Amino acid sequence: EVQLVESGGGLVQPGGSLRLSCAASGFIFSTYAMSWVRQAPGKGLEWVSGISGGGSNKYYADSVKGRFTISRDNSKFTLYLQINSLRTEDTAIYYCAKFIDDRTVRAASDIWGQGTMVTVS
Amino acid sequence: DIQMTQSPSSLSASVGDRVTITCRASQGISNYLAWFQQKPGKVPRLLIYAASTLQSGVPSRFSGSGSGTDFTLTISSLQPEDVATYYCQKYNSAPWTFGQGTKVEIK
Repeated sequence: EVQLVESGGGLVQPGGSLRLSCAASGFIFSTYAMSWVRQAPGKGLEWVSGISGGGSNKYYADSVKGRFTISRDNSKFTLYLQINSLRTEDTAIYYCAKFIDDRTVRAASDIWGQGTMVTVS
Repeated sequence: DIQMTQSPSSLSASVGDRVTITCRASQGISNYLAWFQQKPGKVPRLLIYAASTLQSGVPSRFSGSGSGTDFTLTISSLQPEDVATYYCQKYNSAPWTFGQGTKVEIK
């Protein structure tokens, strides 16, 4: 079974940092691009960041560029999101998601984790 | 960056009604368009990708169409379990922007 499990969220003060993790299982992790999507309380979905399967290509939303860093360790089947200089507007559930097609970043996300809550206050 | 605009923002329809949601891209994105369903308190679920390809396990009452800048999600016969917020997302290139969502309720 394909599964994604996020962890690392919590309560942090403005200006603080967190590292989110997403543990993957049930598929060949290294061949699939991955992304992070967040959802503020009562709001819509916001794409945050994406990374190619090998990790060499990284993409960011303007709202997080320079503060967030996406990475992956394919030997550990884990995706990461380092979030620095946190702001109150970063408060959200953070989901990791797998792309439906391997070896491309031009694909929709078919599998999502349950999310991890980040609260900045 | 390309903007994605959904309409309407919300709608209320009766069980059995045909429901149509529109998503417009500010520039052409070919068919790199996905639709997601999110029920309250749940994780988003992929319904359709490549504008019109139904994801495995999704009921056939859901369909998608369009190419370029204008896209449509149709529910042919609305069911109570379809109450949710629906989002479109472009994925031709980064940023992989979502529409603002359309909330569907039962009248």
